[in-house]
Amino acid sequence: KAGVTQTPRYLIKTRGQQVTLSCSPISGHRSVSWYQQTPGQGLQFLFEYFSETQRNKGNFPGRFSGRQFSNSRSEMNVSTLELGDSALYLCASSYVAGGLETQYFGPGTRLLVL
Amino acid sequence: DAKTTQPTSMDCAEGRAANLPCNHSTISGNEYVYWYRQIHSQGPQYIIHGLKNNETNEMASLIITEDRKSSTLILPHATLRDTAVYYCIVRVVGGGSNYKLTFGKGTLLTVNP
Repeated sequence: KAGVTQTPRYLIKTRGQQVTLSCSPISGHRSVSWYQQTPGQGLQFLFEYFSETQRNKGNFPGRFSGRQFSNSRSEMNVSTLELGDSALYLCASSYVAGGLETQYFGPGTRLLVL
Repeated sequence: DAKTTQPTSMDCAEGRAANLPCNHSTISGNEYVYWYRQIHSQGPQYIIHGLKNNETNEMASLIITEDRKSSTLILPHATLRDTAVYYCIVRVVGGGSNYKLTFGKGTLLTVNP
């Protein structure tokens, strides 16, 4: 099976702009989670979608939003970009087997805000 | 989810076994131990998970103490490509649980030639 794919892999934006990142989960996986990774804060959970509904949310401002489509593909959007939004954004898809859920991560999108 | 404690860094010689410890003394009965690793600038990679029995797969072995308060991830024959940050995560799974992974700072394992 193909792994989790994320596009674009690299992105440069300026303050005030908005950005949309895309994630295609592993075939058959219905849950998609998003994480932000920065050197200072490490890996932090943004939100998780399942069947087109946001099921869990981390402690990020409303500028960070996401959605999931009927084919389980997901997008996350960051509006009014700030310098501190520069980070590696990771998407993970997961499935449940025998009551256990395992998340598999994509390669990430590296966003630089100037 | 229970908190975990891992050493900041460890070194291992290529070809030798790497034993990465994790302390999770506040783990509760329905929490599993998961291990992920992250090679520089890549996405985290799932390695293995367990509840109370020792587990082994093609990548590693997981040894969980009888009281479940600590565990050890074993890479039997470390290679240079195993150099990465290893994260030990304790979480409840199943039954409508929170599908969030809480990452700590992990252990930077450096495999030396």
